[in-house]
Amino acid sequence: KAGVTQTPRYLIKTRGQQVTLSCSPISGHRSVSWYQQTPGQGLQFLFEYFSETQRNKGNFPGRFSGRQFSNSRSEMNVSTLELGDSALYLCASSLVGASTEAFFGQGTRLTVV
Amino acid sequence: KNEVEQSPQNLTAQEGEFITINCSYSVGISALHWLQQHPGGGIVSLFMLSSGKKKHGRLIATINIQEKHSSLHITASHPRDSAVYICAGPLYNTDKLIFGTGTRLQVFP
Repeated sequence: KAGVTQTPRYLIKTRGQQVTLSCSPISGHRSVSWYQQTPGQGLQFLFEYFSETQRNKGNFPGRFSGRQFSNSRSEMNVSTLELGDSALYLCASSLVGASTEAFFGQGTRLTVV
Repeated sequence: KNEVEQSPQNLTAQEGEFITINCSYSVGISALHWLQQHPGGGIVSLFMLSSGKKKHGRLIATINIQEKHSSLHITASHPRDSAVYICAGPLYNTDKLIFGTGTRLQVFP
């Protein structure tokens, strides 16, 4: 079966712009989580969606937001980009949440210049 | 202090050696994930376990929930095992994964 698909794979944006990243989970998976990975901070949890509802949220400013559609596809949006937002953004899907096996996408590498 | 600690941070081995990576956590975690990340960023889930031991090929993962400790073992290591290995767990009653800092493994032929 198809894995988790993230688009785009690479993105370069300018400070102050906004960006939308997309994640298509494995068919049948209802939970989608987003993570930010930077060399300095490692992997950090952004938020988790289940059946179109945000169920958990990490410690990120309100510039980071997301949503999930009825087909479980999810998007995350970052507004007013800052240089420090440059990172690898990963999404993972699972059947019902982090207590079930997680399948990760390849990530979107965002560079803010 | 990180809530999830891994050791060692870096590990170098010769092909064929037995590898052990340790993960200790100080918070309540309902299950533990072991993940593998190759250069380029893609993450693969190796194991998810909440008790005992699991084996997949040359990989073995164990967990002791009472001691809040898990280990990942690689038998007969191979250069293709070179990657960063990360342990992670969801906090009790949440689906928020918290991650260890990772162990960078290099296996030389």
